[in-house]
This record gives sequence, structure tokens and C-alpha cells, in this order.
Amino acid sequence: DAKTTQPTSMDCAEGRAANLPCNHSTISGNEYVYWYRQIHSQGPQYIIHGLKNNETNEMASLIITEDRKSSTLILPHATLRDTAVYYCIVSGTASKLTFGTGTRLQVTL
Amino acid sequence: GAVVSQHPSWVICKSGTSVKIECRSLDFQATTMFWYRQFPKQSLMLMATSNEGSKATYEQGVEKDKFLINHASLTLSTLTVTSAHPEDSSFYICSAAGLAGGRQETQYFGPGTRLLVL
Repeated sequence: DAKTTQPTSMDCAEGRAANLPCNHSTISGNEYVYWYRQIHSQGPQYIIHGLKNNETNEMASLIITEDRKSSTLILPHATLRDTAVYYCIVSGTASKLTFGTGTRLQVTL
Repeated sequence: GAVVSQHPSWVICKSGTSVKIECRSLDFQATTMFWYRQFPKQSLMLMATSNEGSKATYEQGVEKDKFLINHASLTLSTLTVTSAHPEDSSFYICSAAGLAGGRQETQYFGPGTRLLVL
């Protein structure tokens, strides 16, 4: 599976959009981009995934660049409950997800 | 939809005893289940992959005789930590992959089980 690079940490003010970047320059044509988050002492929560088109659901939007070498997860109106570690994972299927260190998002008042 | 449960949520045991952790997909059938381990301040590490009715595939460095996995049905997998020792203390998390919501197969995680071996 392709490796991803994410910033170690980010801050966001409550109510503002949180934009979390991810680089995956070695992504293969059949690999999806998955985003999960882990709130302290809980199991990871699935957020969204995509192949090449932008995706949106009730939690977030996923913007994938045309060359698929990077993506951005957007939380449109961040709240304190969105404080978590966010993982960007590239995988050919839902199998064998390799978790990196993720981005620690801190939402502040 | 796409709910995965784990039981127990936490367990304390004496060194040398065995502990069984259950993982259930509550509202979908899971073709594959996974077991991860997470030590403090570290990321999740995959331990093994199991498919219903077949033997689990273990990651390199994970002892199959120590971490017994049984995937008896499409909704239940168990992990048994045999002869547990203090170094096995960790946060164990399962996940289940299925077509929840009708989309391409996605992996959904349980809430985790915190194991403390004294």
C-alpha cells in the first residue's frame, strides 16, 4: 500500500472549517483514499473514502487532486467534539489498513 | 448502520491467565475481520486478519499460538490472549469489513478493549 504524509498537528477554531491535508504521491490506480479519526481511548471511526472523484457525506468532504497525489479532508464547521487524531490511509481494498501517525486536530474555542 | 461491538470494554487479569475478547458486527455481515493492537502514544498495528471459517493470517512478529483467533460466523470473531503477561497489556481493537450501506467494502472498527495484565 502507498505511504501517506500528514502534518503532525493542526489547530482550528470552533465553527470554522478544518482542512486536513494528506500527500500520497505513490498511490496506485486501484487504491482508495480512506479517512478515519480516533478520539482518545476509542476505536477509529470511519469518516469517508474516495477513489478519484470528490466525495461528501454527513461528516465531511474529501477533495482529491486530479493527479490523485494528494487529498484534503474538510470538516465544514468544526466543533470541540471533532478534536481527534485523523488518519489518511491509502489502500487497494478495505483490507489491511496501515495506520501512520496521523494529524492531531485540536479544535479550540 | 455499520456498528461493531467489542466485549469486554476493559479487563484486568493475573499474569499467566487467558483472556477472550469478542468482536461482533451488529448490523451487517463481515466477510473479513481484523485485530489490531495499540500501545500508549502509538498508532494501531495490525495483528491478524481472519475470514469466516478459515484460519487467521498473522502479521510478522505476532505469535499465532499466543493470540488465538476464531472467526466462527459472519458476525463474530474472538481473540484469546493465552498465558497473558504484563507486556501484553494494551488496547485491542477489532474491525469488520463489509458492504454496510451498499458501498464498496469498508472497514468499521469496534470501541476497543483495554487489557491490563498484573
